[in-house]
Amino acid sequence: AQSVTQLDSQVPVFEEAPVELRCNYSSSVSVYLFWYVQYPNQGLQLLLKYLSGSTLVESINGFEAEFNKSQTSFHLRKPSVHISDTAEYFCAVSQRTGANNLFFGTGTRLTVIP
Amino acid sequence: ETGVTQSPTHLIKTRGQQVTLRCSSQSGHNTVSWYQQALGQGPQFIFQYYREEENGRGNFPPRFSGLQFPNYSSELNVNALELDDSALYLCASSQLQGREAFFGQGTRLTVV
Repeated sequence: AQSVTQLDSQVPVFEEAPVELRCNYSSSVSVYLFWYVQYPNQGLQLLLKYLSGSTLVESINGFEAEFNKSQTSFHLRKPSVHISDTAEYFCAVSQRTGANNLFFGTGTRLTVIP
Repeated sequence: ETGVTQSPTHLIKTRGQQVTLRCSSQSGHNTVSWYQQALGQGPQFIFQYYREEENGRGNFPPRFSGLQFPNYSSELNVNALELDDSALYLCASSQLQGREAFFGQGTRLTVV
């Protein structure tokens, strides 16, 4: 079984400041890792994913996440946030073999303060 | 290429009623998964359909059922609605062995 823990339910941060959203997972099998973003009254959009290769993955809008196998973490970071980054962020895992359904954390609400 | 579309966007039902939610998958995708997202929570996997057969199920009772059609679109049916069924229901399409799921905008169900 898989589970995902997002340690912070809410993260307020000033515009242009750096931010880190934490994600830890537990799994008895190897997993793929994902970050999804959800804007108000919308569905989920894939932000970035780790499937294999380099443990540091980047998105087109400046976010990055690093897979740390020993710490079973996949923290999301951005060096300088914008107002438009205000949203709910979900960390998720799926197992590498078999069913490809996603297990989500409870989410972190990022609020960027002007 | 069209994305994942869900209908309706909102609806209100009375406890005990039945509801059907619909999802059109993204072009080229053969797998549809349904998730329930309660307020303030992360999405929870309900079930997945591949080639019109259920291909995995989460911890949801049998009154949650589904269908997938030959064009890969899908329905989620919920019988005997309960107040706790109030949630955002998300549909996601993918390839069966694909590792990227594309989500629709969701259907907001309110049970009163």
